[in-house]
Amino acid sequence: AQSVAQPEDQVNVAEGNPLTVKCTYSVSGNPYLFWYVQYPNRGLQFLLKYITGDNLVKGSYGFEAEFNKSQTSFHLKKPSALVSDSALYFCAVRDFDNFNKFYFGSGTKLNVKP
Amino acid sequence: SAVISQKPSRDICQRGTSLTIQCQVDSQVTMMFWYRQQPGQSLTLIATANQGSEATYESGFVIDKFPISRPNLTFSTLTVSNMSPEDSSIYLCSVDKGEGYEQYFGPGTRLTVT
Repeated sequence: AQSVAQPEDQVNVAEGNPLTVKCTYSVSGNPYLFWYVQYPNRGLQFLLKYITGDNLVKGSYGFEAEFNKSQTSFHLKKPSALVSDSALYFCAVRDFDNFNKFYFGSGTKLNVKP
Repeated sequence: SAVISQKPSRDICQRGTSLTIQCQVDSQVTMMFWYRQQPGQSLTLIATANQGSEATYESGFVIDKFPISRPNLTFSTLTVSNMSPEDSSIYLCSVDKGEGYEQYFGPGTRLTVT
């Protein structure tokens, strides 16, 4: 079965510093990986995805993610954090062999302090 | 992308009653999903609702408790029946347009059962 893990419940970073939110995956076959962000009292917003191709994927709001096959990781990054980036971040994997279901990680709360 | 609306945005209900949540999409989609999320927690898939067929429920969720309708390609409803305080949660619908592979989420319905 496909799965993703987010080892950190919370990440704290100062505004202007780089941020990383970690995600590791376990899949059979080629991974289809996604990052979503959820602001308070809102639904999930799609940030970026890795399907194939370049290991560095660029997405919305200046976020990017690096796919690393040898380490089975798909970490979310941003060179310079903003206070407005504070939110809940979810990594997800899509299972095309199981009715296209998405499996979400446990979520990481990002706190960016001024 | 897709623009998804949900009604109601929130509700407070008495135990033993039922609530129907509506999900409307701005374009035709084949696959719609219903999730449950405890605040600050990950998402749990309740069921997949494809137009023209019965909804497919995940382990732990049954049709009698969570009946779903999918009358056309832009609309679905989820009913939470005979509610108890344990049903207090955020309910999210999402759609899969196939293209690009990501899912798009509605803003959620925050349900409190007293």
